[in-house]
Amino acid sequence: GENVEQHPSTLSVQEGDSAVIKCTYSDSASNYFPWYKQELGKRPQLIIDIRSNVGEKKDQRIAVTLNKTAKHFSLHITETQPEDSAVYFCAASLRSSASKIIFGSGTRLSIRP
Amino acid sequence: NAGVTQTPKFRVLKTGQSMTLLCAQDMNHEYMYWYRQDPGMGLRLIHYSVGEGTTAKGEVPDGYNVSRLKKQNFLLGLESAAPSQTSVYFCASSFSGQFNQPQHFGDGTRLSIL
Repeated sequence: GENVEQHPSTLSVQEGDSAVIKCTYSDSASNYFPWYKQELGKRPQLIIDIRSNVGEKKDQRIAVTLNKTAKHFSLHITETQPEDSAVYFCAASLRSSASKIIFGSGTRLSIRP
Repeated sequence: NAGVTQTPKFRVLKTGQSMTLLCAQDMNHEYMYWYRQDPGMGLRLIHYSVGEGTTAKGEVPDGYNVSRLKKQNFLLGLESAAPSQTSVYFCASSFSGQFNQPQHFGDGTRLSIL
């Protein structure tokens, strides 16, 4: 079946440094790639998404890049802050309709003071 | 506007018991989804619905049933609970449309099966 691989599973960075999380997907028909942030005990919340007709999207300190040829997409967080500590999930749309997406296994990001 | 509301928030069951998890959304979304979240495995789709009166299987449907009698509600049922169904269950909803739309999640239900 289709899958999304996410790396690394854990990431620790110094406050103020940048963090990068990478994902690969298998379904060549995927055209929508959301990223969710989940704080401990909370719901997943959408932080940014990108569609296949663009290669990069930025929202303040967060950016996402997409390489359709290589089936890679990445999340970049700059000037990290303590409140960025959370689990981040990438996801990719599936070939079928109904806005179904498949999630990566998550990256636990810790920001060191 | 409450968004997506899940009840209950916590539940402990004994093996073989049955229960129903309720999801309600007030955003007039067509699509609704049930996921389970287990450590190190992300979120996996159990069942989903593209509209009132419709349901379909997701990635891990065995042991679960669903119903969508009203557009705003999506129920997840466990007929005979098993310890392997211990998990955190999330409901989500999204608009329909020509292009994929973001999914909005509820706060989750933490379910333990003893």
